[in-house]
Amino acid sequence: IVLTQSPGTLSLSPGERATLSCRASQSVSRNYLAWYQQTPGQAPRLLIYGASNRATGLPDRFSGSGSGTDFTLTISSLEPEDFAVYFCQHHAGSPTFGGGTKVEIK
Amino acid sequence: EVRLVESGGVLVQPGTSLRLSCVGSDFTFDDYAMHWVRQVPGKGLEWVSGINWNSGTIDYADSVKGRFTISRDNAKNALYLEMNSLRVEDTALYYCAKDRVPSLWYVFDHWGQGTPVTVSS
Repeated sequence: IVLTQSPGTLSLSPGERATLSCRASQSVSRNYLAWYQQTPGQAPRLLIYGASNRATGLPDRFSGSGSGTDFTLTISSLEPEDFAVYFCQHHAGSPTFGGGTKVEIK
Repeated sequence: EVRLVESGGVLVQPGTSLRLSCVGSDFTFDDYAMHWVRQVPGKGLEWVSGINWNSGTIDYADSVKGRFTISRDNAKNALYLEMNSLRVEDTALYYCAKDRVPSLWYVFDHWGQGTPVTVSS
């Protein structure tokens, strides 16, 4: 499965809403789609799995949605620490990752 | 807090071998599947290999199948990656990652800080 993320870069201000897209080349079985956040010099951090399940301790401003081939990560109101790169990944068998979306400060 | 510490990454020549290690702490190691994921700095992520809790199920990416071998020693809380016939394109930061469940579900809920592998002549 090839995962295509858009946009490549999202320029927003703190407090704004971020909407990130992940499109799969074929339907993702059981909507097994995860999202990760990576800040410079750090390992990725799990945010969402199974399309909409939040990882332990994740603030509720983060939410995941979608099914089939189209998935979305939404950050309702950007905090300074949310400016990072976000990757989607399918976990329905041997996984692949999307190319990432960078959320940068406008 | 779950801790994963990788080691073993170095500069090696193409065609040679290398063994990476990862030690886990502050969680019940043998309750979870474990994985290796790699990343070329500034680039995307590539899953490499995974092993379930009792080593009964193992999976590899096509790019490393036949060259890399994953294993674990639950008595030592350790995960390993034996890398043979290394290629320039294997150059990356190698992360050890914990799965959320004992079987291979490929949800990586904790990651180490990575160990760098450079393959160059």
